Amino acid sequence: DARVTQTPRDKVTEMGQEVTMRCQPILGHNTVFWYRQTMMQGLELLAYFRNRAPLDDSGMPKDRFSAEMPDATLATLKIQPSEPRDSAVYFCASALAGEGNEQFFGPGTRLTVL
Amino acid sequence: SQKIEQNSEALNIQEGKTATLTCNYTNYSPAYLQWYRQDPGRGPVFLLLIRENEKEKRKERLKVTFDTTLKQSLFHITASQPADSATYLCALDRSGGYQKVTFGIGTKLQVIP
Repeated sequence: DARVTQTPRDKVTEMGQEVTMRCQPILGHNTVFWYRQTMMQGLELLAYFRNRAPLDDSGMPKDRFSAEMPDATLATLKIQPSEPRDSAVYFCASALAGEGNEQFFGPGTRLTVL
Repeated sequence: SQKIEQNSEALNIQEGKTATLTCNYTNYSPAYLQWYRQDPGRGPVFLLLIRENEKEKRKERLKVTFDTTLKQSLFHITASQPADSATYLCALDRSGGYQKVTFGIGTKLQVIP
């Protein structure tokens, strides 16, 4: 049963600490997305990759966020330094490239920055 | 600026009735629109896709319409069941088909037995 996995599922950290979230996309999917979800803003696209190359990271605060795909089976989202306003649920999704192809979402990482 | 509006208020309906959810948008010309379902504590799950040249799409008890003149999509669940209770998100393409979509904030549906 192919699915997107994310670790950790929950993370509580203190302001100023580095946070790294990991995602394993579905095998064979060549497009990977990172989203942030809050009650107020809903789901916001932070960055996405195709064939491991960043296509768009305009939704990401560049000074503290970075996203990478070290290989086809791993995507990472890093926040350094973290701030309380970064508290949210972070979702990774993967898809096959193609117009309208559905995105498969992971279970999310719930981040709380104190 | 580009905007997507979904009823942010929860929608409560009686079991067996048809639920209708609305997605309105401005300043977009999306090539397609998708609907997703999200349960508490989980990621969204894809339900349906409708393209700009399609008026209506059906899948089992689900029906989606897309009116590019009104800039509106309607999502219907017929013969609703308590298991349909969830938040429903619409997502619009904003990249000319490059899979970059913008999500609405979602509408929470509660089906009352």
